[in-house]
Amino acid sequence: GAVVSQHPSWVICKSGTSVKIECRSLDFQATTMFWYRQFPKQSLMLMATSNEGSKATYEQGVEKDKFLINHASLTLSTLTVTSAHPEDSSFYICSVNSFQGNQETQYFGPGTRLLVL
Amino acid sequence: QQPVQSPQAVILREGEDAVINCSSSKALYSVHWYRQKHGEAPVFLMILLKGGEQKGHEKISASFNEKKQQSSLYLTASQLSYSGTYFCGTDEGSNYKLTFGKGTLLTVNP
Repeated sequence: GAVVSQHPSWVICKSGTSVKIECRSLDFQATTMFWYRQFPKQSLMLMATSNEGSKATYEQGVEKDKFLINHASLTLSTLTVTSAHPEDSSFYICSVNSFQGNQETQYFGPGTRLLVL
Repeated sequence: QQPVQSPQAVILREGEDAVINCSSSKALYSVHWYRQKHGEAPVFLMILLKGGEQKGHEKISASFNEKKQQSSLYLTASQLSYSGTYFCGTDEGSNYKLTFGKGTLLTVNP
């Protein structure tokens, strides 16, 4: 498996401010990381695929100028929510592709809970 | 395409069994099962790749049908710690992007 951390675990901010969330792969060099958003009692919705050294690939309906992703190294990807609004309040989770035996799957970070006032 | 999970919720007494299903309209490359406890990130349970595959141990196991369109997760002799929301994540094209079902909320009571 892979050990993934996220920082911060909780953030409360005022409407209009920008918030940066870090995702670190602690024991594995990850060329690909994924960013998900989860609203209460709902499923995990993939927002974007973060690729080390190149531009992120965004899912349909996700604004790339609002959710900026930077994958600057093999162990760190950041998601910046720009000009956050109350409707951006959610649980943001990143994941890393790693191996379970010889099979590849995703391991999730602990998540970041964002509350925009 | 989002897979369909059933049931949406199930309540068990400790020691009872449960089956959670995950269905797709297309043949899948793989199915990944996760459990998420309230306020926490999903935890990987198992992955199925081959049609007709069954894997896991006697308490928690899963199957993948021959057509690779349906997977089932079997929870046997449930324990209190099994409570949580179970998600299946499906990969249609071996690009390692997963699409998750809406989840099945499992509650195990004493």
